[in-house]
Amino acid sequence: KNEVEQSPQNLTAQEGEFITINCSYSVGISALHWLQQHPGGGIVSLFMLSSGKKKHGRLIATINIQEKHSSLHITASHPRDSAVYICAVRLGANNTGNQFYFGTGTSLTVIP
Amino acid sequence: DAGVTQSPTHLIKTRGQQVTLRCSPISGHKSVSWYQQVLGQGPQFIFQYYEKEERGRGNFPDRFSARQFPNYSSELNVNALLLGDSALYLCASSLRANEKLFFGSGTQLSVL
Repeated sequence: KNEVEQSPQNLTAQEGEFITINCSYSVGISALHWLQQHPGGGIVSLFMLSSGKKKHGRLIATINIQEKHSSLHITASHPRDSAVYICAVRLGANNTGNQFYFGTGTSLTVIP
Repeated sequence: DAGVTQSPTHLIKTRGQQVTLRCSPISGHKSVSWYQQVLGQGPQFIFQYYEKEERGRGNFPDRFSARQFPNYSSELNVNALLLGDSALYLCASSLRANEKLFFGSGTQLSVL
């Protein structure tokens, strides 16, 4: 069983729609990353969270530590948002390393 | 400033051979971690090095080894290559051991 589960696996949206991608994890964590991966492999870190909520442009990330759940929201989606979005967690409340464990990703396609 | 650089970008090897992959972190970053991403899956943690010491190791066989040099660059070595080692190998650096990750573009390894 993967410690990190993402849903949905695949998502197709019309341009302008509000999008939500979910991440659930089964153990205590010290941090959570939301990553974006474009075709060809390059990965960009969108957010690193340990509590609460962060916003950057049209992207919003939230985390609920008690429920072991995080969401990534994209407002006013655009075709350039099409990518794979990956949730990664650093396990253990006292983990001081960067041993992240990854979900399998959500493949998002935004249609013009 | 240059981002995380990895070399080579692509590599083709045959079963049983050995391979060395290289990673240069962002200037000033002291932590380097390595990940394996098989097609269609999320990355899997292989190693983390911080200040030239191994800080963590994922569930990979002893054929996988790594080291970090005084200039904080890193090498990942894989011996006795198997077909299943074919994957995208990603390197990520961070300022310290438990901070936000910055990823390289990866090395695509194909084992024939």
